[in-house]
Amino acid sequence: SQKIEQNSEALNIQEGKTATLTCNYTNYSPAYLQWYRQDPGRGPVFLLLIRENEKEKRKERLKVTFDTTLKQSLFHITASQPADSATYLCALALYSSASKIIFGSGTRLSIRP
Amino acid sequence: DAGVTQSPTHLIKTRGQQVTLRCSPKSGHDTVSWYQQALGQGPQFIFQYYEEEERQRGNFPDRFSGHQYPNYSSELNVNALLLGDSALYLCASSLGSGYGNEQFFGPGTRLTVL
Repeated sequence: SQKIEQNSEALNIQEGKTATLTCNYTNYSPAYLQWYRQDPGRGPVFLLLIRENEKEKRKERLKVTFDTTLKQSLFHITASQPADSATYLCALALYSSASKIIFGSGTRLSIRP
Repeated sequence: DAGVTQSPTHLIKTRGQQVTLRCSPKSGHDTVSWYQQALGQGPQFIFQYYEEEERQRGNFPDRFSGHQYPNYSSELNVNALLLGDSALYLCASSLGSGYGNEQFFGPGTRLTVL
């Protein structure tokens, strides 16, 4: 069956450390993968997009890797801050239906001071 | 520049009723997608509208229907409401319906079905 799995447990990180979130998928052939941030009671906010032929993407303190062999993406936040505390969602867009974005269930990240 | 707006913010309905949710896309965007997000889950794709037509549809029954107007605003209609329809309904807009188009989400409408 087709699945997108993210860390089901909440992640608690000390401020200043690097947070690493995982997104694994099975039986999908994604054209690209996106990461979003969602705060309680709010809509998701787009962070980064990485295409299937790209290995790594960076934006300020954020870094995303994409390994289509392992069927995995890693999302890193360096020098983490309490303001980074939120739920982070990964999402796939498929070659077969570009418009249809498939989301994982998200990982809740807490950065403690 | 206004972002994506949705109305109403909250809504309470009873089983069997019908509901209409509204979305205005970000200025300059022509494509609207609707998602349902249950508590603790990621958003689930309902459908997408582009050029006033439904272009893609997720695994949702025909009770879920939509419309897009010439000004690109959109409505989501749900008939014969079930308890399981209680969720946060999100609208996202983008420019074009193709690959790699960044989506901007609205704040959502919280629907409670009693």
